[in-house]
Amino acid sequence: KNEVEQSPQNLTAQEGEFITINCSYSVGISALHWLQQHPGGGIVSLFMLSSGKKKHGRLIATINIQEKHSSLHITASHPRDSAVYICAVRSYRVPNYGGSQGNLIFGKGTKLSVKP
Amino acid sequence: GAGVSQSPRYKVAKRGQDVALRCDPISGHVSLFWYQQALGQGPEFLTYFQNEAQLDKSGLPSDRFFAERPEGSVSTLKIQRTQQEDSAVYLCASSPKKRGLSNQPQHFGDGTRLSIL
Repeated sequence: KNEVEQSPQNLTAQEGEFITINCSYSVGISALHWLQQHPGGGIVSLFMLSSGKKKHGRLIATINIQEKHSSLHITASHPRDSAVYICAVRSYRVPNYGGSQGNLIFGKGTKLSVKP
Repeated sequence: GAGVSQSPRYKVAKRGQDVALRCDPISGHVSLFWYQQALGQGPEFLTYFQNEAQLDKSGLPSDRFFAERPEGSVSTLKIQRTQQEDSAVYLCASSPKKRGLSNQPQHFGDGTRLSIL
């Protein structure tokens, strides 16, 4: 089972729709990131959060630490929002020198297409 | 402003050849990460540098993979005797502070798309 699960895998929406992408994780974390990846590979960090809610323009990210769940919402979606949205967590693993404590663990991404 | 720069953007190599991928992090960033992203998958951790020290290479899939950051800035990921399963996008990311001390966002490059024929 993957440590970070996203749903849905693919999402098609009409321009203007309200969009929700979900992320569930099974490890203890210190932070959760939402990233946007456009065709061609470039990744942009949208949010980093460890509790509560953050808002930036039409994007809203929430996290529930107890439920190990986060959501990314896009209001008034636009075709330029079309991209892959990736959830990544910074995990607290049992530390050992040379171990992967603190590295990001990524979900597989949600491919969003917004049609005009 | 200068972000994380990776080169080449695309690389095609024949199976068995050696390749070298370059990452120029944001100036002054202490932490540097390499990730491998297979088609349709999320990135997966390869290795981590704090300045010139490679503190974590637990994600390197085999001893054909080697990374260095000799002066604590530019990093090179080298893959020897490439195989078809090495085909992926290789992403580099940097962040200002040491891993684990505080949560710092990672700044990603555009990646190098490697295709092994």
